[in-house]
Amino acid sequence: DAGVIQSPRHEVTEMGQEVTLRCKPISGHDYLFWYRQTMMRGLELLIYFNNNVPIDDSGMPEDRFSAKMPNASFSTLKIQPSEPRDSAVYFCASSLGRHSNQPQHFGDGTRLSIL
Amino acid sequence: SQQGEEDPQALSIQEGENATMNCSYKTSINNLQWYRQNSGRGLVHLILIRSNEREKHSGRLRVTLDTSKKSSSLLITASRAADTASYFCATGPGNQFYFGTGTSLTVIP
Repeated sequence: DAGVIQSPRHEVTEMGQEVTLRCKPISGHDYLFWYRQTMMRGLELLIYFNNNVPIDDSGMPEDRFSAKMPNASFSTLKIQPSEPRDSAVYFCASSLGRHSNQPQHFGDGTRLSIL
Repeated sequence: SQQGEEDPQALSIQEGENATMNCSYKTSINNLQWYRQNSGRGLVHLILIRSNEREKHSGRLRVTLDTSKKSSSLLITASRAADTASYFCATGPGNQFYFGTGTSLTVIP
């Protein structure tokens, strides 16, 4: 099993630019999660999908953030326009089931720096 | 916040010693999970303990759960340099699921 795959691993861009982060979940998993990790705020859940449908996006910080899951094997998190305070590590995770008794499998993240 | 809070925030020990980290949470739960995060990597699931369990073992890991105190502990026995990482508990009521703030463990060779 290839695990959760995220791209790019690193992204450096200037303020105001559009940023697109990509995720391929583990095949067969029906839940997909996007997290943001910073020193100040720890690991924050931004949004999660079940069977490609967004279920809870209450963690999305602003309208500048949007996420899509066009099919079971691909999801994107987009920031437009980006700001320096968006700098963080963004993780995608997938699981078989949402309930707390299912382990989540994380990708290695995208380290985003907005200059 | 429904998050777990880990204690201590940072821990440094010599190789071969045992490491204990604690997690406290606020609400009733069904399960609690522990994860490890190596530097620059994603989180890796270690162990899950159900609310009706008091203790669980996996290799050198021992997890306890005290629902009356709303706390859990993770014990790593005979630590190795490779155990250097951050450790997170994750839990929540019902279908909610939140990660704690983590304990940074350094094992000195």
